[in-house]
Amino acid sequence: GQNIDQPTEMTATEGAIVQINCTYQTSGFNGLFWYQQHAGEAPTFLSYNVLDGLEEKGRFSSFLSRSKGYSYLLLKELQMKDSASYLCAVGNYGQNFVFGPGTRLSVLP
Amino acid sequence: DVKVTQSSRYLVKRTGEKVFLECVQDMDHENMFWYRQDPGLGLRLIYFSYDVKMKEKGDIPEGYSVSREKKERFSLILESASTNQTSMYLCAYEAYNEQFFGPGTRLTVL
Repeated sequence: GQNIDQPTEMTATEGAIVQINCTYQTSGFNGLFWYQQHAGEAPTFLSYNVLDGLEEKGRFSSFLSRSKGYSYLLLKELQMKDSASYLCAVGNYGQNFVFGPGTRLSVLP
Repeated sequence: DVKVTQSSRYLVKRTGEKVFLECVQDMDHENMFWYRQDPGLGLRLIYFSYDVKMKEKGDIPEGYSVSREKKERFSLILESASTNQTSMYLCAYEAYNEQFFGPGTRLTVL
């Protein structure tokens, strides 16, 4: 099975850096994905990791350690518009993705 | 940009009604998915499809069925809607190792 855990809620200040963790137990997957979802909207893709290590994409970075069953999403220079839920998912191309429960991030002025 | 559309943003139905949720993608992608999303439970996969007339059960298929008669259209069917099927329903297709989501249908069953 694939059990994915994320913190339920986080709060951070505008301009700060926040790290959202994701731990998983799975028998194998191709990629670890991060999605952003604003309230009432569909999830949108942020990043994915196939290999261990850090993937950087502007203000967002994602890290994966397969041996530790661990990933994180790093958001830098937080903006108010970053207030959203962040979903971690493990997936195999051509098969289903399994999503974590999501972390609701609130960015305060 | 490839788009995926869902037939309704908001839908209200009564217990026992048959409900059809339609999802259409405007490209030739093979893999399509139906999820429901509930507070505290995240996204849960109901069914997915690899190609026309092909379907696979996801994690919570009970109470649902699907139809894929054309590659661009993947329909979710609630044969007899129940109140515990009140939820946000999200359709997605897969391309380039990513899943792209439609806008979602918020279904309320009274």
